[in-house]
Amino acid sequence: DAKTTQPNSMESNEEEPVHLPCNHSTISGTDYIHWYRQLPSQGPEYVIHGLTSNVNNRMASLAIAEDRKSSTLILHRATLRDAAVYYCILRSARQLTFGSGTQLTVLP
Amino acid sequence: NAGVTQTPKFQVLKTGQSMTLQCAQDMNHEYMSWYRQDPGMGLRLIHYSVGAGITDQGEVPNGYNVSRSTTEDFPLRLLSAAPSQTSVYFCASSGGSRIERGASTIHEQFFGPGTRLTVL
Repeated sequence: DAKTTQPNSMESNEEEPVHLPCNHSTISGTDYIHWYRQLPSQGPEYVIHGLTSNVNNRMASLAIAEDRKSSTLILHRATLRDAAVYYCILRSARQLTFGSGTQLTVLP
Repeated sequence: NAGVTQTPKFQVLKTGQSMTLQCAQDMNHEYMSWYRQDPGMGLRLIHYSVGAGITDQGEVPNGYNVSRSTTEDFPLRLLSAAPSQTSVYFCASSGGSRIERGASTIHEQFFGPGTRLTVL
């Protein structure tokens, strides 16, 4: 199964943009790139997904490298409520494979 | 819509006991799955289902059984609980699960609040 690599932790100041990187060098042509986040003591929450083109939604933007070997989740203005573990996941045909994610700390 | 619901929220079992974790969704989703999350770790897929009557194994299926008799319900059975099964269990569902030409059309997954299980 294709794997992802993320930094263990990152910090950001409130109301500043955050760029969360993810490497997935063994991605296959049919793998979608999904991002989820998990707040303390809660189930994961969908953030965004994409295949080849950059994507935007109300929560975040997803920038995908041209070779698809890496991607970046962009939170345009971090808030304290964005503090969570962020998972970058490759979605094969029927499964999501979670890694250990990036713990994002937002400083007031 | 209630979304994805899980019961119970907490459970303590003794080694060797069996039990069923319940999961239900009211969004008419075809795809449902069970994950476990150990402390400080990401989620690992146990079993999944792409529709009523169809189930398949995930990454860590041993010691667990599932069935999918209806679209709404996807129970997870622990056959003989072991301390290694102490974990938080999450159920998830998503729509649009039909596979076309090897490419996934599965949409976002909705997760339940989790069941915290302790096996003594």
